[in-house]
Amino acid sequence: DVKVTQSSRYLVKRTGEKVFLECVQDMDHENMFWYRQDPGLGLRLIYFSYDVKMKEKGDIPEGYSVSREKKERFSLILESASTNQTSMYLCASSFTGGRSTDTQYFGPGTRLTVL
Amino acid sequence: DAKTTQPTSMDCAEGRAANLPCNHSTISGNEYVYWYRQIHSQGPQYIIHGLKNNETNEMASLIITEDRKSSTLILPHATLRDTAVYYCIVRFGSGTYKYIFGTGTRLKVLA
Repeated sequence: DVKVTQSSRYLVKRTGEKVFLECVQDMDHENMFWYRQDPGLGLRLIYFSYDVKMKEKGDIPEGYSVSREKKERFSLILESASTNQTSMYLCASSFTGGRSTDTQYFGPGTRLTVL
Repeated sequence: DAKTTQPTSMDCAEGRAANLPCNHSTISGNEYVYWYRQIHSQGPQYIIHGLKNNETNEMASLIITEDRKSSTLILPHATLRDTAVYYCIVRFGSGTYKYIFGTGTRLKVLA
C-alpha cells in the first residue's frame, strides 16, 4: 500500500514564526503536492514538484515555499506564519505513467493553528 | 476544464447499497473520472477511477454512462465507517497535475 506520512497531525505556532511541514512517501513517486483545505473552499493547490529539486507554483503559493532535496520528501515552509494560514495542510504523491497516471495518494493532514 | 456536480448530502441505511451520482457533462475524451472520500479530519482516500468502462475494486464500483457525462459510485453494502464526504473529480486537462475538488457529497450511513 502507498503510504504518505506527515510530520505532525496538529501544530500550533505564533504569528511571524517560520514553520516547516514535512511529508514523506514510500512509493518512489515522482510527483508530490501540497494543498490546503478550508471550509467552503475545498482543496487548493499550493505547490507541487515533479522531480527532485523541481517545483511549480499552484494556485495559492503566496506566503509559502517548498523544498524537495530527496525524492521521497517534500517540505512546505511558511516563511513568516500569519493567522490566515491557519488551515488543514494535505500532502499527496503520485506516480507518472501508465493507467494510474495522476492517481494522488494523500497523507493524514496537518492541522495548523497560527495564533 | 471539466467540472463536476454532486448532491450536497445523502443518507443510506447500513447494509444497503449507497449510490452516489456525479454529473460531468463537459468531460473531454481523455479525462478520467476519479472518486475520493474524506472521513472527518483525515486526508482524502482514493477509491476508484475510470475512463469509459465500468470499474470495480474491493471498495466500490464505478458506473460511467455511455456518453461519459455522468457516473455513479456504488458502495455495495454501506457500513457506518463509510460515513464521509465523497468527491467526484475529473482530471484537470493535460499538462498539469492538479485535481479540483468540489464540495462533494456528504454521505451519512444510518444504523
